[in-house]
Amino acid sequence: ILNVEQSPQSLHVQEGDSTNFTCSFPSSNFYALHWYRWETAKSPEALFVMTLNGDEKKKGRISATLNTKEGYSYLYIKGSQPEDSATYLCALPPPNTGNQFYFGTGTSLTVIP
Amino acid sequence: SAVISQKPSRDICQRGTSLTIQCQVDSQVTMMFWYRQQPGQSLTLIATANQGSEATYESGFVIDKFPISRPNLTFSTLTVSNMSPEDSSIYLCSVVRDRGMNTEAFFGQGTRLTVV
Repeated sequence: ILNVEQSPQSLHVQEGDSTNFTCSFPSSNFYALHWYRWETAKSPEALFVMTLNGDEKKKGRISATLNTKEGYSYLYIKGSQPEDSATYLCALPPPNTGNQFYFGTGTSLTVIP
Repeated sequence: SAVISQKPSRDICQRGTSLTIQCQVDSQVTMMFWYRQQPGQSLTLIATANQGSEATYESGFVIDKFPISRPNLTFSTLTVSNMSPEDSSIYLCSVVRDRGMNTEAFFGQGTRLTVV
């Protein structure tokens, strides 16, 4: 079992504010890290796949960084909008074919208009 | 990609009753995964459903409580039996597309279960 932790558990920000949250994971035997966005009553959808130490990926106002040596990834949202309200999950994919992903607890983000 | 249709999306159930959750995938997959997320907890794997064989349950989960069916390569059901308020959770089915470093998980919409 891989221990994946996310903080904070929940976050309320005002529209227009920028925010970030953390995913921590075991740094040994790192393979890849995934970020997912999960809106209420919808399927979680993939945001980023991070594989290399120092990776930085961006999609619109959302970006993510990766530090495999110290075992953490940050997700940043610039200029938060109400439609960014969701739970953001990080996960470690299976090291072996067809096995389970290991998920963090998620960070629940609420953007207040 | 994979599209997964999960039903029901939510339900409120009386304690002692059972609820069956269905997941239909738009393509054939070998394994389907059933997760649960209790309030404030991680997505936790309940079991892996394989077509043609019994499901593999994770520690803390048993077949009598969470029976699973996998009649073909595109469909699976999870039943939450003899429910209690502690079973109130979001239940999620998932499949994995193996693409090496780009392996990706796909999910149903989730079932939000409240047991009263």
